[in-house]
Amino acid sequence: ILNVEQSPQSLHVQEGDSTNFTCSFPSSNFYALHWYRWETAKSPEALFVMTLNGDEKKKGRISATLNTKEGYSYLYIKGSQPEDSATYLCASFGSARQLTFGSGTQLTVLP
Amino acid sequence: EPEVTQTPSHQVTQMGQEVILRCVPISNHLYFYWYRQILGQKVEFLVSFYNNEISEKSEIFDDQFSVERPDGSNFTLKIRSTKLEDSAMYFCASSEGETYNEQFFGPGTRLTVL
Repeated sequence: ILNVEQSPQSLHVQEGDSTNFTCSFPSSNFYALHWYRWETAKSPEALFVMTLNGDEKKKGRISATLNTKEGYSYLYIKGSQPEDSATYLCASFGSARQLTFGSGTQLTVLP
Repeated sequence: EPEVTQTPSHQVTQMGQEVILRCVPISNHLYFYWYRQILGQKVEFLVSFYNNEISEKSEIFDDQFSVERPDGSNFTLKIRSTKLEDSAMYFCASSEGETYNEQFFGPGTRLTVL
């Protein structure tokens, strides 16, 4: 994998549902994987920075896992709320020493 | 809570004109960045800056672009002679460290080149 890819591109869930989405990134020359939450008309907000294979991080109802050997990360949201509606971006930081972003997953949580 | 600020929020310019986008990073951060997002495309890295010099730059960051930290607080991106394809949202970010630290983003400047 040469690029950072995210799936799905967009997602609609009902309030209270749990959901997850995927980020794939180049596993070679990998240093860190960033997840950002980006609400419309606001700045991207950092959620997690993950570095080690098997890392799991949690912030409230949001958690993420990292597999550096196969080059993927999952972001989970438990019990989605309307305020979780945003675009979730992942970005890989590697030996090129620059963040390479995916296209994002646009999440809409319906009340 | 400290935040990254950017001015102006929207800049309209004629093709061939010079523009300067301004950013005030978080005060104790050491690394500064510029990114851009062309409408409908991914966020792209332009340049990183540390210790008063460019640390890394992408292929996009050609001779038309320059960055400067003119004083202790501002961080600027200059585009010397704008092209239509420079129209994009430009984001500034800053971080305490380079590899393992989260980056804090500003709200962006929307640049429209006519």
